[in-house]
Amino acid sequence: EVQLLESGGGLVQPGGSLRLSCAASGFTFSNYGMTWVRQVPGKGLEWVSAIFGSGDITYYADSVRGRFTISRDNSKNTVYLQMNSLRAEDTAVYYCAKGFGAYAVMPADWGQGTLVTVSS
Amino acid sequence: QAVVTQEPSLTVSPGGTVTLTCGSSAGTVTSGHFPYWFQQKPGQAPRTLIYDSTNKHSWTPARFSGSLLGGKAALTLSGAQPEDEADYYCLLFTSGAAVFGGGTQLTVL
Repeated sequence: EVQLLESGGGLVQPGGSLRLSCAASGFTFSNYGMTWVRQVPGKGLEWVSAIFGSGDITYYADSVRGRFTISRDNSKNTVYLQMNSLRAEDTAVYYCAKGFGAYAVMPADWGQGTLVTVSS
Repeated sequence: QAVVTQEPSLTVSPGGTVTLTCGSSAGTVTSGHFPYWFQQKPGQAPRTLIYDSTNKHSWTPARFSGSLLGGKAALTLSGAQPEDEADYYCLLFTSGAAVFGGGTQLTVL
């Protein structure tokens, strides 16, 4: 059974940094692309970033490019989202998701999410 | 990035059929956009229903189907059940990134 467990969310001041982690189990991690999607409570979904199974190719939404960095450690079955220069509009629930294959940049299986609040 | 459009809300009668659509401001939606469809119920994480236009996830009920229709991606629900009441989102891959539509709130009434 695929399991994805996000952690690292919390309250951070504008301009601050936070690193989200997503621990994966139940599948061969390095064989699947991973994605981060966020959702402002009560609003729609926003695709944020994705990384190939090998970790060598990454993609970003325009809204986060240059501020967020996605990475993965295949030896730890974990994907990360380093978030810098955070803004109030980055406040959202952040979901980690597994793709359908090594080059997948869109979500197949989802975690339960972690809340990030950017506020002073 | 292109803007992805969906109907804000739709209503279907129990047992009825409804089609949700997903368009792009950049033009015709094709298989090259790898359209995905997701269902989200209140307080829950989204679930993936359809990927690459027509393929179903292992848990997708048979009453859901995906297609390309009239220049858009489409999700058809045939034989709506009360438990299908939810928000539905499409996702397209375009210009090196993926973009969600604004979502369709589906009421079964």
